[in-house]
Amino acid sequence: RKEVEQDPGPFNVPEGATVAFNCTYSNSASQSFFWYRQDCRKEPKLLMSVYSSGNEDGRFTAQLNRASQYISLLIRDSKLSDSATYLCVVTFLTGTASKLTFGTGTRLQVTL
Amino acid sequence: DAGVTQSPTHLIKTRGQQVTLRCSPKSGHDTVSWYQQALGQGPQFIFQYYEEEERQRGNFPDRFSGHQFPNYSSELNVNALLLGDSALYLCASSLWSGNYEQYFGPGTRLTVT
Repeated sequence: RKEVEQDPGPFNVPEGATVAFNCTYSNSASQSFFWYRQDCRKEPKLLMSVYSSGNEDGRFTAQLNRASQYISLLIRDSKLSDSATYLCVVTFLTGTASKLTFGTGTRLQVTL
Repeated sequence: DAGVTQSPTHLIKTRGQQVTLRCSPKSGHDTVSWYQQALGQGPQFIFQYYEEEERQRGNFPDRFSGHQFPNYSSELNVNALLLGDSALYLCASSLWSGNYEQYFGPGTRLTVT
């Protein structure tokens, strides 16, 4: 089983739609969780951290369910500029060092 | 505020050669991590440096080695290049004592022929 699993998509949605991505992780000792966005042939950019209480940043809402080892990202009112690959990232400590483990990413294509 | 920088942007090497990639972390950061990203895959962790020491390592062979300098910049060296080493190599910087958020440089695209 992969450490971090995502549906690779692609998700094709019309502008203005709401879309949700899910991610599961296998290591119950994981401590920090993030969503990164990656545009084609560019570096990943941090989109938001994910907290157990859930957090929202404008049109983006992230949720964490530690019991189910499940993370989600909801995008409301999708824009053309949201088209990208969304990477689920999980961090756990080994000793004092932290290691980010990435999912393979979910591709989103927003269309007119 | 300078972000993470990497050099070179692109590189073409032949099988068996050696390559050195460079990274300067974001201003104020002291930790550098290296990742390999093959086409269609998520980044795979290679290793992490802090205080000029390798602190953690992913499942990569010894052909992959690194170094961190006193100014926190870092190098990734790959020896005896294989075709399968062709990928985007990403450097990410962070604060050792921070909240584990890592910020990526633009990457070096390595092609091995």
